[in-house]
Amino acid sequence: QVQLQESGPGLVKPSQILSLTCTVSGGSISSGGYYWSWIRQYPGKGLEWIGYIYYSGNTFYNPSLKSRLSISVDTSKNQFSLKLSSVTAADTAVYFCAAWGVVNDAFEIWGQGTMVTVSS
Amino acid sequence: DIVLTQSPGTLSLSPGERATLSCRVSQSISGNYLAWYHQKPGQAPRLLIYSASIRATGIPDRFSGSGSGTDFTLTITRLEPEDFAVYYCQHYGSSPPYTFGQGTKLEI
Repeated sequence: QVQLQESGPGLVKPSQILSLTCTVSGGSISSGGYYWSWIRQYPGKGLEWIGYIYYSGNTFYNPSLKSRLSISVDTSKNQFSLKLSSVTAADTAVYFCAAWGVVNDAFEIWGQGTMVTVSS
Repeated sequence: DIVLTQSPGTLSLSPGERATLSCRVSQSISGNYLAWYHQKPGQAPRLLIYSASIRATGIPDRFSGSGSGTDFTLTITRLEPEDFAVYYCQHYGSSPPYTFGQGTKLEI
């Protein structure tokens, strides 16, 4: 059974780069069955989809974040990563990695989430 | 952009009762690309329903989804204590591809 686990710093300074990695276990990131996604949840509980990457490297980003966002995949490590630049306090949130099922068209699998605070 | 509006904001019920949660979409959506999740405190959301009415693997049959076009409903018959959580609907479309509702809190 596929499981996801986020990792990365819990505190980032304003204007710097937020970097997170999601490790996929229990299955291959190259299986082709999922789009590997990032979602964040604000302290007020709203959920925002950030973007996704396919194992081939194809990406699709939320237009509101596109200019600051980069998502990459490392199939050799079974990981995908998020980089968000020029962060502000508004980027403070719990960040989840999730797997969007190609067949079922839904976020079938979620990581436990990691809290990232942007503060000096 | 498509907006998903969930109602009510909070629903107070007791175990054994029936819950009806609504998700209204600002534009009619084709393909019934609508999913429901619930989230318990400190946990990630969990998929309940996809394609408006199909239960995800392992989801009990007291959960059911219905609707089409702009109006969708999640019904939970015979509430169990573990069902009290926040429920989100989510749409799969083109711009942006994935949009969530603001959530309905189901409380005892």
